[in-house]
Amino acid sequence: NAGVMQNPRHLVRRRGQEARLRCSPMKGHSHVYWYRQLPEEGLKFMVYLQKENIIDESGMPKERFSAEFPKEGPSILRIQQVVRGDSAAYFCASSPLASGIFDEQFFGPGTRLTVL
Amino acid sequence: AQKVTQAQTEISVVEKEDVTLDCVYETRDTTYYLFWYKQPPSGELVFLIRRNSFDEQNEISGRYSWNFQKSTSSFNFTITASQVVDSAVYFCALSEADSWGKLQFGAGTQVVVTP
Repeated sequence: NAGVMQNPRHLVRRRGQEARLRCSPMKGHSHVYWYRQLPEEGLKFMVYLQKENIIDESGMPKERFSAEFPKEGPSILRIQQVVRGDSAAYFCASSPLASGIFDEQFFGPGTRLTVL
Repeated sequence: AQKVTQAQTEISVVEKEDVTLDCVYETRDTTYYLFWYKQPPSGELVFLIRRNSFDEQNEISGRYSWNFQKSTSSFNFTITASQVVDSAVYFCALSEADSWGKLQFGAGTQVVVTP
């Protein structure tokens, strides 16, 4: 059973470009979380999605950031018009069941975004 | 407001020494989970332990042990007889009952083990 997959592992963008980060959850998992780790900091929650639904986006910046988890395919975190402050590691985690029963979240290897 | 506090930014030890990492959390929920993750230099997150709020029994797993005390809202982690491979950043995290399972991480403690 493959783990959580994220691609690309490293992404370089120039200011103003768009960044698309992909996350394929573990097989059978229908719940996806995105976290951001700024340099020298801990991870911060961004968004929680179930298939085709955004459940909690309280950690998402109000502008330029969006996330989706379509019925088919990976979850996508999209950052429009990137700025240098977006440079960070973005981690995706998946869990199998409703979060209310505190299932363990399985983390992907992360995508390191560098904005030049 | 920060709900998980890891006051130690960095701890340096010599191999075979014990090291204890502090974690203090804050929550009003009676049902919650606490976690420890390890992030080695390669960058991935490695799950170490999950503990629910109703289980205060301390746990030992090999060289790792955890001390959960609700009275002081602490969930401390000890590495016994440290090894160079233990060098990493260690994160404590909290998941509350009404938070859809999202994890709230502390700032992390960098552990440096030298030979």
